[in-house]
Amino acid sequence: GAVVSQHPSRVICKSGTSVKIECRSLDFQATTMFWYRQFPKQSLMLMATSNEGSKATYEQGVEKDKFLINHASLTLSTLTVTSAHPEDSSFYICSARDGGEVNGYTFGSGTRLTVV
Amino acid sequence: GQNIDQPTEMTATEGAIVQINCTYQTSGFNGLFWYQQHAGEAPTFLSYNVLDGLEEKGRFSSFLSRSKGYSYLLLKELQMKDSASYLCAGMDSNYQLIWGAGTKLIIKP
Repeated sequence: GAVVSQHPSRVICKSGTSVKIECRSLDFQATTMFWYRQFPKQSLMLMATSNEGSKATYEQGVEKDKFLINHASLTLSTLTVTSAHPEDSSFYICSARDGGEVNGYTFGSGTRLTVV
Repeated sequence: GQNIDQPTEMTATEGAIVQINCTYQTSGFNGLFWYQQHAGEAPTFLSYNVLDGLEEKGRFSSFLSRSKGYSYLLLKELQMKDSASYLCAGMDSNYQLIWGAGTKLIIKP
């Protein structure tokens, strides 16, 4: 089945630094990639939707200048958390949609970000 | 507005059966998903229903009633490894997933 590879799985960074998270679709072309954030004991919160070759669509309340999304190819999307603060510590998960299937939502393995 | 409701937590006994309910309100409807998520891990796909009725897949079954905006996930012969959160998600007319807060299922020996 479809596989989405997400890296890194865990990252600890200092306040004020930037962190890049990568998601790659390994055996299909991901025309659309979704980026979620999940705080402990809460559900997934959609941050933004990115389409290959165009600007990402951000959900209300998500700062686009802080969470930079790049979807430069059909197999790679990146999320960069800029000037990270402790409140950005969370579990970030990407999900790619295999354009050929309605139910083809595949999740990456997630990135646990801790900002100290 | 769009909304997904499911219980916060449920407890069941190993070997028993448990039903996790979900009600949904979406702008348009393109199906209902169930995902399983173990602590600290990404969700994994369990089922997808777009037509009314019961879909059975091994120990797990999922039911949908579009007229009632209702779905349930049925887990049989519960095993300790089934302890996880179960997320219900509706897909709206834009093919966007609307997520419930998840139901934490606790299995006791």
